[in-house]
Amino acid sequence: GAVVSQHPSWVICKSGTSVKIECRSLDFQATTMFWYRQFPKQSLMLMATSNEGSKATYEQGVEKDKFLINHASLTLSTLTVTSAHPEDSSFYICSARPPRQGSSTEAFFGQGTRLTVV
Amino acid sequence: AQSVTQLGSHVSVSEGALVLLRCNYSSSVPPYLFWYVQYPNQGLQLLLKYTSAATLVKGINGFEAEFKKSETSFHLTKPSAHMSDAAEYFCVVIAGMDTGRRALTFGSGTRLQVQP
Repeated sequence: GAVVSQHPSWVICKSGTSVKIECRSLDFQATTMFWYRQFPKQSLMLMATSNEGSKATYEQGVEKDKFLINHASLTLSTLTVTSAHPEDSSFYICSARPPRQGSSTEAFFGQGTRLTVV
Repeated sequence: AQSVTQLGSHVSVSEGALVLLRCNYSSSVPPYLFWYVQYPNQGLQLLLKYTSAATLVKGINGFEAEFKKSETSFHLTKPSAHMSDAAEYFCVVIAGMDTGRRALTFGSGTRLQVQP
């Protein structure tokens, strides 16, 4: 099946620094990728939809200047958490769905990135 | 609009017992429904999906789910729980025109515990 790879799987950074998370679709082209955030023992909350070659679409309440998304190619989207603070500590997961005409396909998820800001 | 409700944030069963995780959906058009499993600090893995073919869907690891339109439900079951089934389970829905550009809508999740 399709594979989505996310890197790094965990990262610890100092408050005020920036962290970049990569999401790659390994065997299909993803014109659209999705970034989710998951707090402990909670469900996934969609942060933004990443569109190849255009600006990302952010969900209400998500700061676009804080969570920078770049989708420069059909297989790579990056999420940069800028000026990270302890409250940004969370589990971030990316996802992509292979495009298929006329039917719905399941989403494939990256392994997730555990971000801890100290 | 679409939404999904998972009844019971925690379910505990004994090893070998029946597993039943409940999910009800709301959608103005015929939905596509999925069950995903998440192990600690990992991404999500697809268990099974309903895409308007058979209403009884069989998935991996012995899980199955039945789509019941009259009840707007898509409950997940497994006849005999195994210790390795302990994880977080998410019911997910997407409806409407699908070009691969739309995100999924997640339920709140159900944590399954399996007691020896």
